[in-house]
Amino acid sequence: EPEVTQTPSHQVTQMGQEVILRCVPISNHLYFYWYRQILGQKVEFLVSFYNNEISEKSEIFDDQFSVERPDGSNFTLKIRSTKLEDSAMYFCASRRLTGTGANVLTFGAGSRLTVL
Amino acid sequence: TQLLEQSPQFLSIQEGENLTVYCNSSSVFSSLQWYRQEPGEGPVLLVTVVTGGEVKKLKRLTFQFGDARKDSSLHITAAQPGDTGLYLCAANFGNEKLTFGTGTRLTIIP
Repeated sequence: EPEVTQTPSHQVTQMGQEVILRCVPISNHLYFYWYRQILGQKVEFLVSFYNNEISEKSEIFDDQFSVERPDGSNFTLKIRSTKLEDSAMYFCASRRLTGTGANVLTFGAGSRLTVL
Repeated sequence: TQLLEQSPQFLSIQEGENLTVYCNSSSVFSSLQWYRQEPGEGPVLLVTVVTGGEVKKLKRLTFQFGDARKDSSLHITAAQPGDTGLYLCAANFGNEKLTFGTGTRLTIIP
């Protein structure tokens, strides 16, 4: 069964450092997402991406964050200068447009980011 | 701001018992999904409901979408230890993003 793959599975970084989290969405999917989940809290939407541009973003997704689809397969999330509060599990997801109109997402296993 | 409240937050029951968890919002959903999440993994889709009043069954799991499209429930019959996990509802409110609920952490005691 097709899956969304994420790397790295765990990254530890110093506060202020740049981090890039990578995702390979399912090959025939057109919409891409990043979500995050701080330990013990709910899954939060960060950003959606379609047709090579951001289609929607949350208040969390400030100027420190950026997304890119540098080639036909990868979808990346960059955090420019990490803060302690960026420590979380980051999930990539992708979807195709379903006939019902429901946004059915397939999630990756996540990348755990620890900022020290 | 659209919020999804799930109840109960925690539920611990004996194997073989039945249970129901709830997902509620003050706003109308365009669609709703239920996910299950294991520790250290991403959410895995269980079901999608789109039509108000819709009922879907997945083996011992029954999902219901409220007529007013503001609530949903998940009922598990004869719970088994393998049902242990975090159950998340997630809804579309007519925009691109999926809004997740607060989650119900279910523990089935053998």
